[in-house]
Amino acid sequence: DVKVTQSSRYLVKRTGEKVFLECVQDMDHENMFWYRQDPGLGLRLIYFSYDVKMKEKGDIPEGYSVSREKKERFSLILESASTNQTSMYLCASSSPGTSGKNTGELFFGEGSRLTVL
Amino acid sequence: DQQVKQNSPSLSVQEGRISILNCDYTNSMFDYFLWYKKYPAEGPTFLISISSIKDKNEDGRFTVFLNKSAKHLSLHIVPSQPGDSAVYFCAAGGSYIPTFGRGTSLIVHP
Repeated sequence: DVKVTQSSRYLVKRTGEKVFLECVQDMDHENMFWYRQDPGLGLRLIYFSYDVKMKEKGDIPEGYSVSREKKERFSLILESASTNQTSMYLCASSSPGTSGKNTGELFFGEGSRLTVL
Repeated sequence: DQQVKQNSPSLSVQEGRISILNCDYTNSMFDYFLWYKKYPAEGPTFLISISSIKDKNEDGRFTVFLNKSAKHLSLHIVPSQPGDSAVYFCAAGGSYIPTFGRGTSLIVHP
């Protein structure tokens, strides 16, 4: 069964702390994504990666960075956490279908609820 | 500007009746459309999709309709069940990165 695992389900951090959110997928997917979900704002793309060591900014990259040193692992880093980064963070992965065509189907992890005090 | 819009933040339906969730998009280059379902404190899960060459796709109680001329798609759930209560996200794309709507919270009352 396909699996995207996020290391922490719930975190509480203080303003200014460095925060690492880890994500691992076991499906050998090329593409990995980090989203945040906020009420009324839906899913907003922070960063994505289409290959090892490759990363691209999404719609809201400010205040975040990412790392992809291995194909199965994609980390989201908050260098200095702020209260407006309190949110649900969702990692996802995807791969082209057997026809080589992207279908848009993403496999999501269970999410990491981050609270910054 | 939002390329995928879900104009109804919430929808309340009686158990056994039909639930209709709507989604509008602006980009005529989108060639795939999907619906995801999300329960609280869980990640979204894929529900059903449709490609731009079709106008209907059915999977059990779930049917997605695509009207390309109106740039509109809808998800029909028949019959609705209390376990269907969740947030539903519409998504669309033409590359490997889908664009998501803001979601519609569906509540199915027993």
